Amino acid sequence: AQTVTQSQPEMSVQEAETVTLSCTYDTSESNYYLFWYKQPPSRQMILVIRQEAYKQQNATENRFSVNFQKAAKSFSLKISDSQLGDTAMYFCAFTGTASKLTFGTGTRLQVTL
Amino acid sequence: DAGVTQSPTHLIKTRGQQVTLRCSPKSGHDTVSWYQQALGQGPQFIFQYYEEEERQRGNFPDRFSGHQFPNYSSELNVNALLLGDSALYLCASSSWTGGASNEKLFFGSGTQLSVL
Repeated sequence: AQTVTQSQPEMSVQEAETVTLSCTYDTSESNYYLFWYKQPPSRQMILVIRQEAYKQQNATENRFSVNFQKAAKSFSLKISDSQLGDTAMYFCAFTGTASKLTFGTGTRLQVTL
Repeated sequence: DAGVTQSPTHLIKTRGQQVTLRCSPKSGHDTVSWYQQALGQGPQFIFQYYEEEERQRGNFPDRFSGHQFPNYSSELNVNALLLGDSALYLCASSSWTGGASNEKLFFGSGTQLSVL
């Protein structure tokens, strides 16, 4: 069974600064996807960034980038130039051979002035 | 283009009652998955429907059942409600991948169920 662990329940960062959210996972599968989702107070899960396990290059989406360490089973999210609108819950998630997502417990990110 | 829509947004029930939640997938999608998100937790996979059949199921009791209609919309039914069923129920839609890994799920805003 796959597991996803987020060890930081809460994080805080000042506006315009950089913050990194941590995620580790465990799987025996070789082909899979990893995701970071954002859940604002509206409750909708919004995809921030995705990474295909077979790609060595780290994914980047504007101010969001990941550090994917396959051997270490680590998948951290870096948010650069943090904005007030980035305040939300962030979930790391995994999908393997089955088309279901396994989520971590989330990190609550607060961006302050 | 409407995204994934869920109804109702909020619901209050008492223990032992039954509840039905509804989901309309994003236009062009034929597969619907349901997730339960308890307070302070990440979502947990309940089941997935495609071609009106349950294709995959997570670790949930038989009290949780579903249905998919010919127009791809879906219902989640929970019988004999328990206090522990209080949660946000999220629906996600996608295009069928034969049950294999799917990188493109779109989520609705959920139904908040409170069981008293």
